[in-house]
Formats: sequence, C-alpha cells, structure tokens
Amino acid sequence: NAGVTQTPKFRILKIGQSMTLQCTQDMNHNYMYWYRQDPGMGLKLIYYSVGAGITDKGEVPNGYNVSRSTTEDFPLRLELAAPSQTSVYFCASSQTRTMRYSGSPLHFGNGTRLTVT
Amino acid sequence: KNEVEQSPQNLTAQEGEFITINCSYSVGISALHWLQQHPGGGIVSLFMLSSGKKKHGRLIATINIQEKHSSLHITASHPRDSAVYICAVTSNTGNQFYFGTGTSLTVIP
Repeated sequence: NAGVTQTPKFRILKIGQSMTLQCTQDMNHNYMYWYRQDPGMGLKLIYYSVGAGITDKGEVPNGYNVSRSTTEDFPLRLELAAPSQTSVYFCASSQTRTMRYSGSPLHFGNGTRLTVT
Repeated sequence: KNEVEQSPQNLTAQEGEFITINCSYSVGISALHWLQQHPGGGIVSLFMLSSGKKKHGRLIATINIQEKHSSLHITASHPRDSAVYICAVTSNTGNQFYFGTGTSLTVIP
C-alpha cells in the first residue's frame, strides 16, 4: 500500500492564482483531513471529510475549498492565493469511527510546501 | 489556551542520554498519539495509546488518564532521533484531532 499520497511536493504561486493540492489514499479510510502547519504552531485543521460526498469545515477554512467524490481522493482547492496561505499542507486519513471507538492512527502524506508571493 | 501543551519546546541532548518529552491535554480523549516529523519530511505515527504504556525499540510512551498527561521517553538517544515530536489527541466527542506545537529534539554525537 502507498498510504497517503500528496502532490505536488513544492509549489510557488503568485497572489491571485489558483491551484489544487491532490491527496489520495489506498487504505479505504473514510475519514480524511487537510491540515496546515505554520512555524511554531500546531497543525490546524482546514477541512475534513467523514466519507464520500460529505465534507465539513475545520478551524481555518477561509480561502479553501474541498470535494470528496470518491473514498480515495480529497483534493484541496485554493481559489485566490494570498501570502497568508504560505504554509506546509498535510493531508491525512484515519479509519472509520466504530461503535466501540477507541481512536485510530492518523496516516499523513509527505506534505506540500506552498509559497505565495 | 491550546488543548494540547508540550514541553520542552526545544531539547538538545548528547548521544546516549535518556530523553523525556511531556504532553498535557485539557479535553476528554479516546486516544493520544505521538508523532515524529523529520526536517523537511512527512509526519509518522509512533504510538497511539489510551492507557498504560507502550514500547517500540528505544521509544516508550506512557499515559496517565487521571492526570491528563503523557510522556515520550527515548533511551540511549542517537543523532538519528533528531526530529520534531508532536503530541496529539483524539477527542472523545468526535473524530477530531488536537495537536501540540511539537518538541524539537537535537541529539549531538
């Protein structure tokens, strides 16, 4: 299994440009997440999805959009890039919550380093 | 105030030293995670635990649910252990994760 695959690894955008960060997982996980990591800060949740067709906002959703048409894929869209979106972005997935839920490990992609200038 | 606090923020150790990183949390949890992030690299899950203690090689993770505290220990530290160690918790109210800001560990040969 490849786990969680993110592309691209690096990207430089000009202000106002748009792009899509791709994320795919092959573990049949229902839960998928997008986080951003800024220097000295903990990971902040942008959007998450509990299954195909279902998405919800996290702590810092402004300026981003997501879709979840399949279990495997969870792309993150930046419509009008701003310098404040310069960050490292991580996609992650975890197993479905069950009746006797005791937590499940998070599987991370390798991250996308985005610079907006 | 963050739901998850880690200490210390930065730690430098000599090779071979015993290392402890601490994590306190303020929310109800179903699990606590220790993650490792190498410079420029991805994030890898080291442990997930909800009680007691787990050991993997030279790494040991403990959790005290009553005190809402966890520790990550590294025995006989090695330069390849140099990384950022992140504590995270899964809330017991939903499948949400809260993250500490990480402890940056440098092990000097």
